[in-house]
Amino acid sequence: AQSVTQLGSHVSVSEGALVLLRCNYSSSVPPYLFWYVQYPNQGLQLLLKYTSAATLVKGINGFEAEFKKSETSFHLTKPSAHMRDAAEYFCAVSGGGGTSYGKLTFGQGTILTVHP
Amino acid sequence: NAGVTQTPKFQVLKTGQSMTLQCAQDMNHNSMYWYRQDPGMGLRLIYYSASEGTTDKGEVPNGYNVSRLNKREFSLRLESAAPSQTSVYFCASSGRDRGRTFFGQGTRLTVV
Repeated sequence: AQSVTQLGSHVSVSEGALVLLRCNYSSSVPPYLFWYVQYPNQGLQLLLKYTSAATLVKGINGFEAEFKKSETSFHLTKPSAHMRDAAEYFCAVSGGGGTSYGKLTFGQGTILTVHP
Repeated sequence: NAGVTQTPKFQVLKTGQSMTLQCAQDMNHNSMYWYRQDPGMGLRLIYYSASEGTTDKGEVPNGYNVSRLNKREFSLRLESAAPSQTSVYFCASSGRDRGRTFFGQGTRLTVV
């Protein structure tokens, strides 16, 4: 069984400030972890993924995340927020093996607001 | 590249009506999925098809049926719509690129 908890349903930052979106997971097997972004009225776009290689993962749009097994965390960061980063962000986990790559368990989502 | 295409984009149903949501992918992926998205709950898996000819229940299958018509197409049917099925539905597919799942643009369904 797997689960994901995103801490904070809303995060607000100023443009140029650090973005930190928190994600904790539980999984009975070595997990694959993902961050997706959703802009209004659109589908989900993959930001980055962890699939048991390097623990620090770099994604698109300047985002990165670090897999910490001891803390069961996969927090998303960006050094400097931009207005275009305003969106909803989802953390997700999958069991990873066989044909299960797309069987994702999602967190509740975090809405990121960026103020000028 | 079209990727994952869903139709329709919007739909309003009356309670008890039936409808089928269509999904097609052009990436030659083996696996396809249907999720629903509700505010504050993220996305939840309804059904999935690991390969052509197979389907399995996900986390919230009640009230839905699916058909994997061929490798490209995976449809979701609501036999008797209920207000609790008001949601945004996403189709997705995945292939050999580990961990890369592609999502459609979604179908916004309202049941009144």
